Amino acid sequence: EDQVTQSPEALRLQEGESSSLNCSYTVSGLRGLFWYRQDPGKGPEFLFTLYSAGEEKEKERLKATLTKKESFLHITAPKPEDSATYLCAVQAKETSGSRLTFGEGTQLTVNP
Amino acid sequence: DTEVTQTPKHLVMGMTNKKSLKCEQHMGHRAMYWYKQKAKKPPELMFVYSYEKLSINESVPSRFSPECPNSSLLNLHLHALQPEDSALYLCASSLAGGRFFADTQYFGPGTRLTVL
Repeated sequence: EDQVTQSPEALRLQEGESSSLNCSYTVSGLRGLFWYRQDPGKGPEFLFTLYSAGEEKEKERLKATLTKKESFLHITAPKPEDSATYLCAVQAKETSGSRLTFGEGTQLTVNP
Repeated sequence: DTEVTQTPKHLVMGMTNKKSLKCEQHMGHRAMYWYKQKAKKPPELMFVYSYEKLSINESVPSRFSPECPNSSLLNLHLHALQPEDSALYLCASSLAGGRFFADTQYFGPGTRLTVL
C-alpha cells in the first residue's frame, strides 16, 4: 500500500528564517511526486511535479528535491505570505488512473 | 492558463434538498475529478472521469451522483445528504488521466457545502 508521511505537522518560522519540509513516501514504483500549497478554505495550488530521484525544481523562494525515499521542500527567506498548508502527494506506476496518495500536510506559519 | 472554476462558492442545503455543484475547465484536459475535504485533512478522492467516462468511483454513497456532460464540464448532483457530508468539495482536472505518465492535477477553488 502506498504511504506518504509529512513532517513536521506544523512549523512556525520568523520572516527570513529558512527551513525545510519533509515528505517521506513508500510506493511500489513512483510515477510522480507533487507538491501543493493550500490556503484556508481554498483549493490546493500546484507548485511542483518531480519524476525521478535527483531531480530539483525551483520557484521564487521554494525549492523541491527528490530522493528514492523522500522529498524536501526548502523555503529560503520566507515571508508571511508563504503561510499555508503544504501538501505532498505521490502517484504510483501501478495505480489506477491518476489516483494520488496525499500526506496529511505541514501547516507553515511565518511571523513578521 | 491553469484555471478550474467551480460554482457555487458556498451552498447550504437541508437533508431533503436536491442541489448540484458545477465545475468547468478550458485547458483541453480529458480527466476530471471530484474530491471531498474535511477540515485539517487532505483531499479524499470520490470520482474520476477519463475521456468523459466514469473510471473510478471510490465507493461513494449513491446520494452523490456525478455527471460529465462534455470534456469541459463536470457536475455533482446531491440528494438526501447528511450533516456529516458537510465539507469542501473540490474539482480537479488533468491532461490525460495518468494513463502513461505522471499527470498533474489542477484544482478549483472548491464549494463549501453545509448540510443542515
